Amino acid sequence: EAQVTQNPRYLITVTGKKLTVTCSQNMNHEYMSWYRQDPGLGLRQIYYSMNVEVTDKGDVPEGYKVSRKEKRNFPLILESPSPNQTSLYFCASSVVGETQYFGPGTRLLVL
Amino acid sequence: SQQGEEDPQALSIQEGENATMNCSYKTSINNLQWYRQNSGRGLVHLILIRSNEREKHSGRLRVTLDTSKKSSSLLITASRAADTASYFCATDNQAGTALIFGKGTTLSVSS
Repeated sequence: EAQVTQNPRYLITVTGKKLTVTCSQNMNHEYMSWYRQDPGLGLRQIYYSMNVEVTDKGDVPEGYKVSRKEKRNFPLILESPSPNQTSLYFCASSVVGETQYFGPGTRLLVL
Repeated sequence: SQQGEEDPQALSIQEGENATMNCSYKTSINNLQWYRQNSGRGLVHLILIRSNEREKHSGRLRVTLDTSKKSSSLLITASRAADTASYFCATDNQAGTALIFGKGTTLSVSS
């Protein structure tokens, strides 16, 4: 089944404790992206990648890192999480210019 | 950098009725996509319509696009309680590297 998977789905952590949210797709898509969704602010792009080893900042990249060492994986790294990074995170992938498919989301709470 | 604006923000109808949601955007686009989200869960892709298309159908869904007015509409016919969700339109940014989402229409279908 074609899908985008994210892990973990739910995470509670404390300020400053590094964490990684994994994202994997099995559709051989070049393009992958991370978004966060917050009440009143909607969905905003954090980082994106047009292909392996090619990543760039979206609208809200501060406090996040990404890497794209393999085509299928695009992990989101929070080196020192803060409470303002409490959010619902989505990974997406697509053929460039085509339908973006989203993962199920990761709900993060930073205390 | 919000692009799409959905209207209305909230819509309540009875089962069997039709639901129409509208989306306006600001800059030229290559395509426009509609997504559904059930209560803070994942984003489900509904339809992609390209800038050179005027109308698309998928089951009970009908999407129109008017590039001269920079607007799109999503019509759900014969609504069911299971259609209760938030609906978002999303357009690609000018570089084609991100989807820009509106804040969504919350649809409530009561039986």
